[in-house]
Amino acid sequence: AQSVTQLDSQVPVFEEAPVELRCNYSSSVSVYLFWYVQYPNQGLQLLLKYLSGSTLVKGINGFEAEFNKSQTSFHLRKPSVHISDTAEYFCAVRTHTGFQKLVFGTGTRLLVSP
Amino acid sequence: NAGVTQTPKFQVLKTGQSMTLQCAQDMNHEYMSWYRQDPGMGLRLIHYSVGAGITDQGEVPNGYNVSRSTTEDFPLRLLSAAPSQTSVYFCASSKGSGEAFFGQGTRLTVV
Repeated sequence: AQSVTQLDSQVPVFEEAPVELRCNYSSSVSVYLFWYVQYPNQGLQLLLKYLSGSTLVKGINGFEAEFNKSQTSFHLRKPSVHISDTAEYFCAVRTHTGFQKLVFGTGTRLLVSP
Repeated sequence: NAGVTQTPKFQVLKTGQSMTLQCAQDMNHEYMSWYRQDPGMGLRLIHYSVGAGITDQGEVPNGYNVSRSTTEDFPLRLLSAAPSQTSVYFCASSKGSGEAFFGQGTRLTVV
């Protein structure tokens, strides 16, 4: 079975500051990794994904994440946040075979203030 | 493209009532699934389908039924609503190793 841990339930940050949202996962098989963003009263939107290849993945809105297999981590980063980045961010994993269901972390709420 | 469409967006039910949450996708995706989102718990899988006529249980299936008679539609039925089923429900679809696309959600309150 797979599991995802997002240790930070809430991360407050000032506008234009850098931010890192942490994600660690556990799995006995290879997985794909995803970050989704949820704006208030909206559905989930894919930010970025790691399927294979380069461990540094760039996504939309200036976000990037780095896959670290030895540390089983997939932390999300942005060098300079905007007020509009205020949202909830979910890390998720999925196996390579079968139904490929997504297993989500509990989410991190990013609060950007002026 | 509409993507994944969920109806209704909001619903209030009385305990014991039944209802169906609708989900339709127009991307010809083989996989469809239902999740519920509760504060501090992320999204948890209720039921899923790998194709028309094939469904299976996820992590939290009790109190819910699904069927998949067509590729496009995957309704979720609450047989006898309970306050514990107050939640936000998301339908998602995906194909092969691609990303999952989510609907806008249904916010359900059971009183």
